[in-house]
Amino acid sequence: GAGVSQSPSNKVTEKGKDVELRCDPISGHTALYWYRQSLGQGLEFLIYFQGNSAPDKSGLPSDRFSAERTGGSVSTLTIQRTQQEDSAVYLCASSSSQGNTIYFGEGSWLTVV
Amino acid sequence: LAKTTQPISMDSYEGQEVNITCSHNNIATNDYITWYQQFPSQGPRFIIQGYKTKVTNEVASLFIPADRKSSTLSLPRVSLSDTAVYYCLVHTGGGNKLTFGTGTQLKVEL
Repeated sequence: GAGVSQSPSNKVTEKGKDVELRCDPISGHTALYWYRQSLGQGLEFLIYFQGNSAPDKSGLPSDRFSAERTGGSVSTLTIQRTQQEDSAVYLCASSSSQGNTIYFGEGSWLTVV
Repeated sequence: LAKTTQPISMDSYEGQEVNITCSHNNIATNDYITWYQQFPSQGPRFIIQGYKTKVTNEVASLFIPADRKSSTLSLPRVSLSDTAVYYCLVHTGGGNKLTFGTGTQLKVEL
């Protein structure tokens, strides 16, 4: 696509429910990144993919968070048993294999009530 | 990954030039320097990127000294709409753990 696309743009969920956030990167981009940004805070790195592989998962906040990428394209970030502290905007970005420029989507706003 | 340090906030007035400096003392040979702008409720947007010396585009200039241990984003004649958070990122090519610094909150007033 023309840009990084994320869905849903907004999600309100009840505490304890599972949520899935989707990221569709720019066509042909092999690298994909997930970040979390709480209100008024900076960008917290979660995980990145090179192709379908995630070499470094150390940024995931807890074992309730997981991410996968299939076909070297779409990625899904899953949060199980959501907690109120998970409320944030989840940003996805992508870049080409040699690319030094990372392009961000508009984010998925998650509110846990 | 090179750690970056930026001022937390800066204030300016419309029409002035704003310079935001980022320190990255342990930058690696293959690292590039990229600046992003973020408005509330939006994802960060690419502004400018450089490796050394000076780069200029339609919205900003980026000054990088010979030792590359710092960089300065220059915004000419800012307006109210330039009020945003500006992030400096130092990194190599795609597919690496990319950690952003705290960013600089620029506030432009009349």
